[in-house]
Amino acid sequence: EILMTQSPAILSLSPGERATLSCRASQSVGPNLAWYQQKPGQAPRLLIYGASTRATGLPARFSGSGSGTDFTLTISSLQPEDFAVYYCQQYYSRRTFGQGTKVEIK
Amino acid sequence: QVQLQESGPGLVKPSGTLSLTCAVSGDSISGLKWWSWVRQTPAKGLEWVGEIYHSGSTNYNPSLESRVSMSVDKSKNQFSLRLTSVTAADTSVYYCVRDLSTSLDYWGQGILVTVSS
Repeated sequence: EILMTQSPAILSLSPGERATLSCRASQSVGPNLAWYQQKPGQAPRLLIYGASTRATGLPARFSGSGSGTDFTLTISSLQPEDFAVYYCQQYYSRRTFGQGTKVEIK
Repeated sequence: QVQLQESGPGLVKPSGTLSLTCAVSGDSISGLKWWSWVRQTPAKGLEWVGEIYHSGSTNYNPSLESRVSMSVDKSKNQFSLRLTSVTAADTSVYYCVRDLSTSLDYWGQGILVTVSS
């Protein structure tokens, strides 16, 4: 099983600041990585797939990068609605999720 | 607008069988897509349970493979999950999801299933 490790577990930032979230795979997954956002009481929402392709309608302040084992989700300027939990997920072999990064208001 | 809706018992007894159904609207289950189940607990986070294609082909999480099965009912445009020999560790919110192979793009609202006597 491919293990996905996200860091940090919690990111405390202010609106307008830049958020950088990391995800590392236990073995290479190529570009086969997606990012999701989840707010309390809601299902996860797809943000990014193919490591860097934004889902339809996603604001340009969200960007993804990386390949192989190391990936990054960047939110260039945090908006109030961006404070949530973010998960990475590989689909190179079956599917596994990271444990999540909570982006909270500082 | 694609919508998925889970249904089934919210309470299952230990050693019993968990059975859930997902009704799909706005898309044909017979299209070129897979359909997945994902579960979530505060302790373990998000866990992919498995996926099914309209032909009946399946892929399961190796950790659950001995207890899980999925099926498709094309006439009702729905798919189902069956998990046997459940324990308290199977208590989770279960989501049904459209699986494009590159991403899980449409999710149901989720259904809480509690395993308890």
